[in-house]
Amino acid sequence: AQRVTQPEKLLSVFKGAPVELKCNYSYSGSPELFWYVQYSRQRLQLLLRHISRESIKGFTADLNKGETSFHLKKPFAQEEDSAMYYCALKGNSGNTPLVFGKGTRLSVIA
Amino acid sequence: KAGVTQTPRYLIKTRGQQVTLSCSPISGHRSVSWYQQTPGQGLQFLFEYFSETQRNKGNFPGRFSGRQFSNSRSEMNVSTLELGDSALYLCASSFRPLAGGANEQFFGPGTRLTVL
Repeated sequence: AQRVTQPEKLLSVFKGAPVELKCNYSYSGSPELFWYVQYSRQRLQLLLRHISRESIKGFTADLNKGETSFHLKKPFAQEEDSAMYYCALKGNSGNTPLVFGKGTRLSVIA
Repeated sequence: KAGVTQTPRYLIKTRGQQVTLSCSPISGHRSVSWYQQTPGQGLQFLFEYFSETQRNKGNFPGRFSGRQFSNSRSEMNVSTLELGDSALYLCASSFRPLAGGANEQFFGPGTRLTVL
């Protein structure tokens, strides 16, 4: 069964400090991993996906198959990064749905 | 390009009633997925429609159903409402079906359903 775990419900960091949002997954095959973000009073939107290996708004995430993790990182947090972050997994077999973690609320303190 | 729209934005119903929610995808998108979002369970997949066919269904009772029309607009219906159905229902559209590889989903603002 597919499962995504985000162990922290809330993460508070000071502006300028590094931030790491944790995501661990359970899936027997080769999944596709995503990070979605929801800013206050905005829609849920895609932040980045592992196959793109891109940096969006200074955030990066590396898929670690050995540790089954896909942690989201940013070296210097900014106040506008405050939002709800969701890690999501999509299996690679058949019509598998997108499975979301329960989310981590990031609060960047000035 | 207009985003995903959902109507109504807010609904209040009583137990036992039924409700229909509507979702209009981004123009050209043929895949529509529905999710239920609650504080306790987070985002849970309900179902996905592509070209008027249900391609996948989450682990929800049969009271939850949906359909898609030829213009890709989708509706979901919940019958015999229960208190636990109170949630934010999100619709997301994409150009290809979810099984078609890494495929960005665009989310609507959601419909907030409250069951009294």
